[in-house]
Amino acid sequence: DGGITQSPKYLFRKEGQNVTLSCEQNLNHDAMYWYRQDPGQGLRLIYYSQIVNDFQKGDIAEGYSVSREKKESFPLTVTSAQKNPTAFYLCASSSSSNQPQHFGDGTRLSIL
Amino acid sequence: DQQVKQNSPSLSVQEGRISILNCDYTNSMFDYFLWYKKYPAEGPTFLISISSIKDKNEDGRFTVFLNKSAKHLSLHIVPSQPGDSAVYFCAASDTSGTYKYIFGTGTRLKVLA
Repeated sequence: DGGITQSPKYLFRKEGQNVTLSCEQNLNHDAMYWYRQDPGQGLRLIYYSQIVNDFQKGDIAEGYSVSREKKESFPLTVTSAQKNPTAFYLCASSSSSNQPQHFGDGTRLSIL
Repeated sequence: DQQVKQNSPSLSVQEGRISILNCDYTNSMFDYFLWYKKYPAEGPTFLISISSIKDKNEDGRFTVFLNKSAKHLSLHIVPSQPGDSAVYFCAASDTSGTYKYIFGTGTRLKVLA
């Protein structure tokens, strides 16, 4: 089945560590996105990529990094510079600007 | 400044009645609007969309209305069912620019049996 796979579902990080969240899609979509959701809040855009080897900062990019070496993959690294990394992270993809984004089931990151 | 606002954080409706969820936006360049439904610990699921050239789009029990002059859209669910209980997000996009969507903060709908 076509879709977006995020792994792992739960992730724990020690203070000062970088951690990478995986996102893979087999929908042949050009665009991919990373969002963060905090309790009681909407989805805030971290980074997005409209095409391979290109990506742009979203509204809350500080402390995060991404790469887009393959169309299918858009990993997100939460660096030690992100002071409040505990959140629910969602990856999405879309085929064009006037088509819906499809979401994965998210990764919940917690700090030990 | 929040460009997409959902001013009602929660809504309770009796089963079988109509649920109306509202969303306001400020950017007049937005021309594509969507509603998503989200259960806890899952990703949002796309429900219905509307482009700015229309004022209504219907899909089964779900209808989205767009009032461009008021910069307001609403989602009507008729009849409401207990399985509709979830958080609903509206989102907006300027399709002439980037692929970026702006999401509202969500409305938690509870349908009472």
